[in-house]
Amino acid sequence: DVKVTQSSRYLVKRTGEKVFLECVQDMDHENMFWYRQDPGLGLRLIYFSYDVKMKEKGDIPEGYSVSREKKERFSLILESASTNQTSMYLCASRIQGGGETQYFGPGTRLLVL
Amino acid sequence: GDSVTQMEGPVTLSEEACLTINCTYTATGYPSLFWYVQYPGEGLQLLLKATKADDKGSNKGFEATYRKETTSFHLEKGSVQVSDSAVYFCALSQAAGNKLTFGGGTRVLVKP
Repeated sequence: DVKVTQSSRYLVKRTGEKVFLECVQDMDHENMFWYRQDPGLGLRLIYFSYDVKMKEKGDIPEGYSVSREKKERFSLILESASTNQTSMYLCASRIQGGGETQYFGPGTRLLVL
Repeated sequence: GDSVTQMEGPVTLSEEACLTINCTYTATGYPSLFWYVQYPGEGLQLLLKATKADDKGSNKGFEATYRKETTSFHLEKGSVQVSDSAVYFCALSQAAGNKLTFGGGTRVLVKP
């Protein structure tokens, strides 16, 4: 079974802090994704990485950056956290190919005070 | 651009009732269609998928048929259990695309 793990289930940070969210997958998937989930808005794509050191902006990249130094790890960075970044963050991975299934991690619920 | 519309919840049902969650999409070409489920406190899990017109996806008693003529992928289950209480997301992905496009999610609550 594919396993996608995220470093924290819950995080509380202060406005202005730099925040790192880590995601690791164990299936040698090329593609990895970061989404945020907000009530009534469903899931929205923040960033996408199609391979090591490769990234593309999603629908809502403002205020975020990403890093993919190794194939199995994809990090989401909030350079200066703000209260409107309070959300559930979900990481996903898949093998290369748009029609392929994405496998999700358990999510990190971030609260920015 | 692509979009997915699904019925708003919450949907409240009694155990053993029938469940239908409507999902329609707008997309060019022939996307793959998915239903994901999110149980309380957890991430999303793939429930079922269909990759071409008239395909039926099924899993855990749930079914959905890819209807290109009506651009729909409705989720059905004949007899729900309390353990089916969750949020259900319809989504599509283009063959040449980089992301899943999600509907807003439908919360389902099954009461004993």
